[in-house]
Amino acid sequence: DAGVIQSPRHEVTEMGQEVTLRCKPISGHDYLFWYRQTMMRGLELLIYFNNNVPIDDSGMPEDRFSAKMPNASFSTLKIQPSEPRDSAVYFCASSQSYNEQFFGPGTRLTVL
Amino acid sequence: QQQVKQSPQSLIVQKGGISIINCAYENTAFDYFPWYQQFPGKGPALLIAIRPDVSEKKEGRFTISFNKSAKQFSLHIMDSQPGDSATYFCAANQAGTALIFGKGTTLSVSS
Repeated sequence: DAGVIQSPRHEVTEMGQEVTLRCKPISGHDYLFWYRQTMMRGLELLIYFNNNVPIDDSGMPEDRFSAKMPNASFSTLKIQPSEPRDSAVYFCASSQSYNEQFFGPGTRLTVL
Repeated sequence: QQQVKQSPQSLIVQKGGISIINCAYENTAFDYFPWYQQFPGKGPALLIAIRPDVSEKKEGRFTISFNKSAKQFSLHIMDSQPGDSATYFCAANQAGTALIFGKGTTLSVSS
């Protein structure tokens, strides 16, 4: 298996633009997690899905953030409009349970 | 009560030394305690995990020590090597809930 795949790996955009991050989980994994990592706040859970259904989105910072999982092999995290404080590394992870999670390589987002 | 507090924030150890990272939790319902390792430019990866029915688990040079009464657990890296230089995260959860991660510890092993 190729592991969790994320795209793009790097994204540079200007404030106010829409940003879409993509994730392909490991086949057979029922859980998908989106995290944000910054030096100040560490690794924050934004939202997670079970069988394509959002279970907990309490970590989503505000309405500018949205996530979807239209099928078992694809998820998106969208920021609209983006702001400089959204600059971070965004990770997607998948798992067969709530325990061992397999992380993707991350998307480094820079909002100018 | 949902927090996992990790210390120290950073650690410098000489090659061959022992690296020790500590975590504390409040929620006594937590029953799974993993440690993740993250290299620069990569995502975190599971290193070792423990459940509260044992007080210690060892895998190679990596050992988790668990103290249920103190609600603390720690990662020990024996014979630390430059290749162990990474960021380490502790985490915890209870059945049916997502992992809660500590803030991370950046380990540098000097040669």
